[in-house]
Amino acid sequence: AQTVTQSQPEMSVQEAETVTLSCTYDTSESDYYLFWYKQPPSRQMILVIRQEAYKQQNATENRFSVNFQKAAKSFSLKISDSQLGDAAMYFCAYRIISGTYKYIFGTGTRLKVLA
Amino acid sequence: DSGVTQTPKHLITATGQRVTLRCSPRSGDLSVYWYQQSLDQGLQFLIHYYNGEERAKGNILERFSAQQFPDLHSELNLSSLELGDSALYFCASSVATLAGYSYNEQFFGPGTRLTVL
Repeated sequence: AQTVTQSQPEMSVQEAETVTLSCTYDTSESDYYLFWYKQPPSRQMILVIRQEAYKQQNATENRFSVNFQKAAKSFSLKISDSQLGDAAMYFCAYRIISGTYKYIFGTGTRLKVLA
Repeated sequence: DSGVTQTPKHLITATGQRVTLRCSPRSGDLSVYWYQQSLDQGLQFLIHYYNGEERAKGNILERFSAQQFPDLHSELNLSSLELGDSALYFCASSVATLAGYSYNEQFFGPGTRLTVL
């Protein structure tokens, strides 16, 4: 069975600094997608970034980038130039490339941004 | 705004009662997914409907059921409610062609917060 593990329940970062959130997953599939979602206090789930497993190039979206290590089954999120608005719960999610398309989520990392 | 709507936003009810949560997917999306998020937990997949048909079930209790109607909106029915059913219930939708390789990003609604007293 596929599982997603986020080993950091909480992280803190100074404003304007860089922080990396960790995510590991377990799967026997060779093709899949990985996502990072942000959940602010409003509880809305907001897609931050996505990565296709068949792509070797790491995805980047403005200040957000990932370090995807397929062999190690690792998918970390780097936030550069952290802003107060980045404070939220961050969830890593996995989805197989075909079939039901359900997401499997990790338990989340709460990110605090210190002014 | 993701384009997915959920009603009601909040629901407070008593143990043993039955409630219905409603979800309207984005225009054109055929797939609807339901997830449950208990306090400070990740989202747990409950069930997936595609164009009116059930496609997959997760850890959904027998007291819970869902359906997707011809206009593609979906309802999640929770019965014989227990204190432990208190959670945030999310609906998500995607195009989900079910054929070939497709990115099929899921767009999440704002959630319905259910409190069982």
